Amino acid sequence: DTDVTQTPKHLVMGMTNKKSLKCEQHMGHRAMYWYKQKAKKPPELMFVYSYEKLSINESVPSRFSPECPNSSLLNLHLHALQPEDSALYLCASSQVLGRAGELFFGEGSRLTVL
Amino acid sequence: SQQGEEDPQALSIQEGENATMNCSYKTSINNLQWYRQNSGRGLVHLILIRSNEREKHSGRLRVTLDTSKKSSSLLITASRAADTASYFCATPNGNKLVFGAGTILRVKS
Repeated sequence: DTDVTQTPKHLVMGMTNKKSLKCEQHMGHRAMYWYKQKAKKPPELMFVYSYEKLSINESVPSRFSPECPNSSLLNLHLHALQPEDSALYLCASSQVLGRAGELFFGEGSRLTVL
Repeated sequence: SQQGEEDPQALSIQEGENATMNCSYKTSINNLQWYRQNSGRGLVHLILIRSNEREKHSGRLRVTLDTSKKSSSLLITASRAADTASYFCATPNGNKLVFGAGTILRVKS
């Protein structure tokens, strides 16, 4: 079990759909992350929020839109995705950004784009 | 871009044997972390070793760090079928944590 909760666990969407992935943590962490992971590859960083402000955007296409409504929640809004965007999307949190400490991961949202 | 490279890419052993995975990285670091990922699940933090430490233990895990060679190893002793997973080293790069390519470990019972 993990203290970072991601919903939904599985999502299938068409290229014209708009959907959102959600992430929640109640550990009081002030840094939250989105990673993308393709099969048999390591996780790749997409976005980092620190104290609810976007701190890092790894040149992610605009069809992915992150949002951090409060210190416990992190969303990833999806629109006009491509089949190659199919992947496991992992949310993580850490106490603060920049101390290179442990990341706590959710179980991920498996996204399939048709 | 990946900071760490791991070898072997895949490792298959019998239950009870030891498993050793290696990680090499490119830049100076203040710590190195190891994570485990069961198939299709999230990553779980295993251990963090700081740059001023040479060896660290946690249960059946032993991690070493050689900053002169920019390398680390993870040893799992007396492996169990439940240890079957992917193992990633991770190093900080500025404010980012960058993961190595990973080693897929299969423990046969």
